[in-house]
Amino acid sequence: EIVLTQSPGTLSLSPGERATLSCRASQSISSSYLAWYQQKPGQAPRLLIYGASSRATGIPDRFSGSGSGTDFTLTISRLEPEDFAVYYCQLYGSSPLYTFGQGTKLEIK
Amino acid sequence: QLQLQESGPGLVKPSETLSLTCAVSGDSISSSNWWTWVRQPPGKGLEWIGEFYHSGRTNYNPSLKSRVTISVDNSKNQFSLNLSSVTAADTAVYYCARVQGGCSYSSCYVDPWGQGTLVTVSS
Repeated sequence: EIVLTQSPGTLSLSPGERATLSCRASQSISSSYLAWYQQKPGQAPRLLIYGASSRATGIPDRFSGSGSGTDFTLTISRLEPEDFAVYYCQLYGSSPLYTFGQGTKLEIK
Repeated sequence: QLQLQESGPGLVKPSETLSLTCAVSGDSISSSNWWTWVRQPPGKGLEWIGEFYHSGRTNYNPSLKSRVTISVDNSKNQFSLNLSSVTAADTAVYYCARVQGGCSYSSCYVDPWGQGTLVTVSS
């Protein structure tokens, strides 16, 4: 079983700042199977990034994903007010087949 | 545009079976995609429940496998989740969604998601 650990648990930043969210796997994984989601209160998760670095349709280019092996990063280059939410990374292929990190809450400072 | 809509009882008694349906519009259940259920207890993270393919293949989370059944109704273009012997720990928002990507040979991710439905287990 591969565990995904996200850090920090909570990130407090101001609009306009750069956000860097981390997702670390307990063992090396294929970057093809790493995705990122955004979830706002009362809403379903929304796909942001798949294949570690490919933006989903309609996702602004201020969102970018990177990483390989065990360390993956979601970067938001300049925070907009609507970006404050909870972010989850997700892995396919381990047991269970779909594993989610515990989430990072991005809050307004 | 693909849309998914969950429906079912919002309250289930302990030891009973939770039954939810996901109505799909904008795509066929019989298309070359896996379809999945994910849940989220209040204030907590996401947990994958299981998935199915139109051929009848299913995959389940080992932690829930003994209690979960996912089935499909092709005539209604919908799929269902049954979770038996529920306890308060099964209280959650339940989401249905489509799996995208080649999975076995390429990326694999969940998109889009239904809006979710809250199921509370309580007597």
